[in-house]
Amino acid sequence: EVQLVESGGGLVQPGGSLRLSCAASGFTFSGYWMSWVRQAPGKGLQWVANIKMDGSEIYYVDSVKGRFTISRDNAKNLMYLQMNSLRAEDTAVYYCTKERSRALHIWGQGTTVIVSS
Amino acid sequence: DIVMTQSPDSLAVSLGERATINCKSSQSLLSSSNNKNNLAWYKQTPGQPPKLLIYWASTRESGVPDRFSGSGSGTDFTLTISSLQAEDVAVYYCQHYYGNPPWPFGQGTKVEIK
Repeated sequence: EVQLVESGGGLVQPGGSLRLSCAASGFTFSGYWMSWVRQAPGKGLQWVANIKMDGSEIYYVDSVKGRFTISRDNAKNLMYLQMNSLRAEDTAVYYCTKERSRALHIWGQGTTVIVSS
Repeated sequence: DIVMTQSPDSLAVSLGERATINCKSSQSLLSSSNNKNNLAWYKQTPGQPPKLLIYWASTRESGVPDRFSGSGSGTDFTLTISSLQAEDVAVYYCQHYYGNPPWPFGQGTKVEIK
């Protein structure tokens, strides 16, 4: 069964850092682009970042450029999102997704990040 | 960047009736390399992650009931639920994946039972 499990969310103060992880199973992780998508409380979906199979191409939404870093470890079937200089507006559920034909084919259950003092 | 706009923001439809959601992009999503429209539709029920329904604008994901269909090309797209069922109550999002990211979503359309 294809599965994505996010972890690492929590409560952090403004300006702080968190690292989210996404554990993948049930498919050949190294063969797929992977993405992070977030959803602020009561709001819609926001695409955040994605990373190519070998990590050679990476893209971010403008609002996180310079603060967030996406990475992956294909040997461990893990994807990461390092989030620095966190702001209140980064408060959201963060979803890990597997791309297929560029669409977001499989979604994890999400991990919650709350940025508050 | 391409902007995605859905309409309406919400709609109420009677059980068994048709529901139609529109999605408009600020530029064409038709890829000349494969003649496909780079657009997907997702369904999200409360407390759950989104689920892929449609990709390439009209290709139904495996396991998605055939009452769901996607249509359109270029900049104008439609998701149609031909006969609304109770389990279709959800928020529906379109998203483009044309060119390089970012790939924004539409703002979402909430579908309820009338």
